[in-house]
Amino acid sequence: DAGVTQSPTHLIKTRGQHVTLRCSPISGHKSVSWYQQVLGQGPQFIFQYYEKEERGRGNFPDRFSARQFPNYSSELNVNALLLGDSALYLCASSHQTVQTYEQYFGPGTRLTVT
Amino acid sequence: AQTVTQSQPEMSVQEAETVTLSCTYDTSESDYYLFWYKQPPSRQMILVIRQEAYKQQNATENRFSVNFQKAAKSFSLKISDSQLGDAAMYFCAYRSPSGSARQLTFGSGTQLTVLP
Repeated sequence: DAGVTQSPTHLIKTRGQHVTLRCSPISGHKSVSWYQQVLGQGPQFIFQYYEKEERGRGNFPDRFSARQFPNYSSELNVNALLLGDSALYLCASSHQTVQTYEQYFGPGTRLTVT
Repeated sequence: AQTVTQSQPEMSVQEAETVTLSCTYDTSESDYYLFWYKQPPSRQMILVIRQEAYKQQNATENRFSVNFQKAAKSFSLKISDSQLGDAAMYFCAYRSPSGSARQLTFGSGTQLTVLP
C-alpha cells in the first residue's frame, strides 16, 4: 500500500501570497493531521481532521485553515504569508479507531517564503 | 499542557557501539503514549518505537529499546549495534489518550551522528 503522499515537494512564495498544500492519507485512514516544522525544531501541531470535521487546532493564527474531502484527502491553506511561515509542513494520517493511534507521516512540503 | 524535553541537541556514536538518547516529559495524566520518531535527511518521519504508559515492561524493537521511568517522567532510547543508517534526527513525542485531537507533542530533537 502507498504511504502518505504530499504535494508539492517544494515551493517558493512571496510575502503576502496564499499557498495550498495537499495530502493524501494511507488507504483506510480517515484522520489527517498537519504539523509545521521550523528548521532545527520539532514539529508543531496545526490541525487534525477526522471524517471531514475539525477535531483539533493548535496555536496558529487564523491565516491557517484546512479542510478534509470525502475521499479523506486534505488541504492546508495559509493566507497572507509571512517570512516566519517558511518551514517543512508535515501531514500524518492515522486509523482513528486504533487505540495507539500511531501517526504515519508523509515526506513533507518545504515552503520557502521570500 | 504537556511538554517534552530533549536535552541533547547532538550525539555521536561509533559504528557497532551503543548510544542512549534522553527524553523527559511533563504531564499530569496517568495514562498516555510515548513515541520515538526518526527523521533522516530525506525528511520522512519514521516511527521507531512506542510505549504505553500503563505497561511496566519496556518496549523493544530489534536493536532499539526504551527505558521508561514513569515516576521520573523519563523515556530514553537505546540503540544497540549502531549502524550508519541510524544517523538521523531523533524526536521524542507524547500523546494524550484523552481529547478528540490526540495530537503529538514533540521534543526539539537530538541529531545522531554515526562514525565509521
